[in-house]
Amino acid sequence: EVHLVESGGGLVQPGGSLRLSCTASGFTFSRYSINWVRQAPGRGLEWVSYISSSGNVIYYADSVKGRFTISRDNANNSLYLQMNSLGAADTAVYYCARDPPGLPFDSWGQGTLVIVSS
Amino acid sequence: EIVLTQSPATLSLSPGERVTLSCRASQSVSSNLAWYQQKPGQAPRLLIYDASNRATGIPARFSGSGSGTDFTLTISSVEPEDFAVYYCHQRSNWPPITFGQGTRLEIK
Repeated sequence: EVHLVESGGGLVQPGGSLRLSCTASGFTFSRYSINWVRQAPGRGLEWVSYISSSGNVIYYADSVKGRFTISRDNANNSLYLQMNSLGAADTAVYYCARDPPGLPFDSWGQGTLVIVSS
Repeated sequence: EIVLTQSPATLSLSPGERVTLSCRASQSVSSNLAWYQQKPGQAPRLLIYDASNRATGIPARFSGSGSGTDFTLTISSVEPEDFAVYYCHQRSNWPPITFGQGTRLEIK
């Protein structure tokens, strides 16, 4: 069974940094692109970032470009999101989502909550 | 950026009724349109991909149609477990990948 588990969320002050992780199991992680998607409290879904299976293609939403860095460690079935210069608008549940070739996001983690507040 | 506009924002209906949700794209996405269901406190769940294909394990009461800029998700007879928020999603022309703002299906 496909399983994605996010971790690393928490309370951080404005201007601070946080590193999120997503650990995968139940499938061959190195064969899949992965995305980060976030959801502010009571709001809709917002795509944040994409990384290809090998890690050589990366995209970001304009709202996080220059502040967030996506990376992956295929040997350890892990995805990361380094988040810097955090602001209140970054408060959200952050999900990692598997991205099969030719299909939309077919499996999601349960999410990790990031709260940016003083 | 392709903007997806969902309507209505909220739908109130009773179990057993038929419901149609709409998603309109600001430019053509061909058939590269998906639908997700999200219940409170849960991650989104893929329902429909490529506009009309049901994902694995999705009941036949869910169906999708459309192409280009206009899409619909239909639930033929709403079950109690179907009350949730529904999002459409495109990656025809990306980045960025975009989602609609959601339609909330609530019990009348």
